[in-house]
Amino acid sequence: DAGITQSPRHKVTETGTPVTLRCHQTENHRYMYWYRQDPGHGLRLIHYSYGVKDTDKGEVSDGYSVSRSKTEDFLLTLESATSSQTSVYFCAISEQRPYEQYFGPGTRLTVT
Amino acid sequence: QKEVEQNSGPLSVPEGAIASLNCTYSDRGSQSFFWYRQYSGKSPELIMSIYSNGDKEDGRFTAQLNKASQYVSLLIRDSQPSDSATYLCAVNKGAQKLVFGQGTRLTINP
Repeated sequence: DAGITQSPRHKVTETGTPVTLRCHQTENHRYMYWYRQDPGHGLRLIHYSYGVKDTDKGEVSDGYSVSRSKTEDFLLTLESATSSQTSVYFCAISEQRPYEQYFGPGTRLTVT
Repeated sequence: QKEVEQNSGPLSVPEGAIASLNCTYSDRGSQSFFWYRQYSGKSPELIMSIYSNGDKEDGRFTAQLNKASQYVSLLIRDSQPSDSATYLCAVNKGAQKLVFGQGTRLTINP
């Protein structure tokens, strides 16, 4: 998985609790991304980062926040989890060119 | 109109035949195109990238790009049961972002 790890790999949590997912890379790539994948919707971008402390929103950012304090780590936080955030979350990394993205193994999150 | 469209399938192909997967995109300014393979329960894996019109071959895989028709395809020759997976088409949207199609589920029948 191109030197990308995600933790935890599986998590079950209750509605209203905060949740943080971690993505860690050893490739020193500048760009990092968080996606969610749901049946019928495919992969959708939540947030992405183009450098340390530089982040921007994707198409489904409501209810999510991110932080990147080091090149290698990109955190995704659900401030107050809802059942609609039950999904599989993937982290990806890329360099500026040729825009190829490489994915981590994913985190399966269930909100009950 | 979706930005990237794929036939969701399932597409069923006999072993040894050619599997043809298609993708259309709406943004004429797109410059980079990718095919990912995703096995059930696994993460997407990049298998082909193509940036200019024409064909690009890598082993049993051939990517074809036609920017005038806004069309990109993936051909898999000598299909194997191990090729059974969902194939995702992705298109560069600028600002270092990709837009993904919903994927085509491919089944290779022995």
